Amino acid sequence: GQQVMQIPQYQHVQEGEDFTTYCNSSTTLSNIQWYKQRPGGHPVFLIQLVKSGEVKKQKRLTFQFGEAKKNSSLHITATQTTDVGTYFCAGRVGSWGKLQFGAGTQVVVTP
Amino acid sequence: EADIYQTPRYLVIGTGKKITLECSQTMGHDKMYWYQQDPGMELHLIHYSYGVNSTEKGDLSSESTVSRIRTEHFPLTLESARPSHTSQYLCASSDKTGGTDTQYFGPGTRLTVL
Repeated sequence: GQQVMQIPQYQHVQEGEDFTTYCNSSTTLSNIQWYKQRPGGHPVFLIQLVKSGEVKKQKRLTFQFGEAKKNSSLHITATQTTDVGTYFCAGRVGSWGKLQFGAGTQVVVTP
Repeated sequence: EADIYQTPRYLVIGTGKKITLECSQTMGHDKMYWYQQDPGMELHLIHYSYGVNSTEKGDLSSESTVSRIRTEHFPLTLESARPSHTSQYLCASSDKTGGTDTQYFGPGTRLTVL
């Protein structure tokens, strides 16, 4: 079945540094979504990517969808303590398929 | 913030008890979901519903059951709680308005079974 893999599982970042987390699917996706879950909180939707090669930016966050629509990345520049949390990608196969969540990347920021 | 509510937020209960976790949304969304998540770990889909009187089991086997009698309400029931059920349970709803089909999550219920 469809699997969505995220790497790395954990990311320790010094405040001010950049980092990237990756999401890979075993099958071609119709779209991919990213969510952020703060410690003790619930996942909150960040963005959806639909088109092959699509790139979207939200302030210091840059999201990219691969040309083959099988992978995605989230790049954060100049990390801040407010970026702490777990970032989940979620991929969908077909227009009506269920969202398949990755295992998440847990981000810890050191001041 | 989305209008999706879960009660109770925290529950500590003894083994063998029957419990119902409540989830309600006021957005009129057709799709609703239940996820199980251990702290800091991945989300596991245990039940979902695409509308009234429609329920399906998710990817993770669960001893819980759900019902969807009204659009806004999607309760989850454990007939006999066990320590292995200790986890956080997240309810979510979604709607494909605008083509995004974003999932809105409730605050979760943290369940501890002694």
